[in-house]
Amino acid sequence: EAGVTQFPSHSVIEKGQTVTLRCDPISGHDNLYWYRRVMGKEIKFLLHFVKESKQDESGMPNNRFLAERTGGTYSTLKVQPAELEDSGVYFCASSQARGAKLFFGSGTQLSVL
Amino acid sequence: GENVEQHPSTLSVQEGDSAVIKCTYSDSASNYFPWYKQELGKRPQLIIDIRSNVGEKKDQRIAVTLNKTAKHFSLHITETQPEDSAVYFCAAGNNDMRFGAGTRLTVKP
Repeated sequence: EAGVTQFPSHSVIEKGQTVTLRCDPISGHDNLYWYRRVMGKEIKFLLHFVKESKQDESGMPNNRFLAERTGGTYSTLKVQPAELEDSGVYFCASSQARGAKLFFGSGTQLSVL
Repeated sequence: GENVEQHPSTLSVQEGDSAVIKCTYSDSASNYFPWYKQELGKRPQLIIDIRSNVGEKKDQRIAVTLNKTAKHFSLHITETQPEDSAVYFCAAGNNDMRFGAGTRLTVKP
């Protein structure tokens, strides 16, 4: 069974540019989560999809962040325009049901210079 | 919402010693408490979890204890080995998990 995959693994961009991160969850997992970890801090919740619907987006920092999951399969997280404080590792995770075991992707290391 | 505090942030032990990582949570409705291990360059992976209807769970050298009254839970690793070196994250929640800041465990041979 393929795990959660994320692309790209690393991204280095300049302040003001746009970056789009992609996550492919495990097939059949309706629940998809985006998290971010800034060095030394918690894995911070960003948002949660159930199929194509945003169930909870209370963790999204501001309107520069836009997440989509068209068709309920893969998801994208776009940051536009990127700021220095957006740097960190962005993790995607999926689960079969809410409150069930989370399967993480390898993360995207985003560096905004 | 849920807030999870994790201590210590770093922990160094000698091979064979025990390691204990502690977490507290704020939301009394939380009923699921997983622990994830992230080795260098790899993704976080679930190593053990506990639900609120039990106080302790053990799997070989690792165990988790839960005190719902005090709202804290702990990870215990006995007979540590160098391959236990990693960052460990606790999490708490009901339907959606909130994570602690992680503990970097180093096991010295």
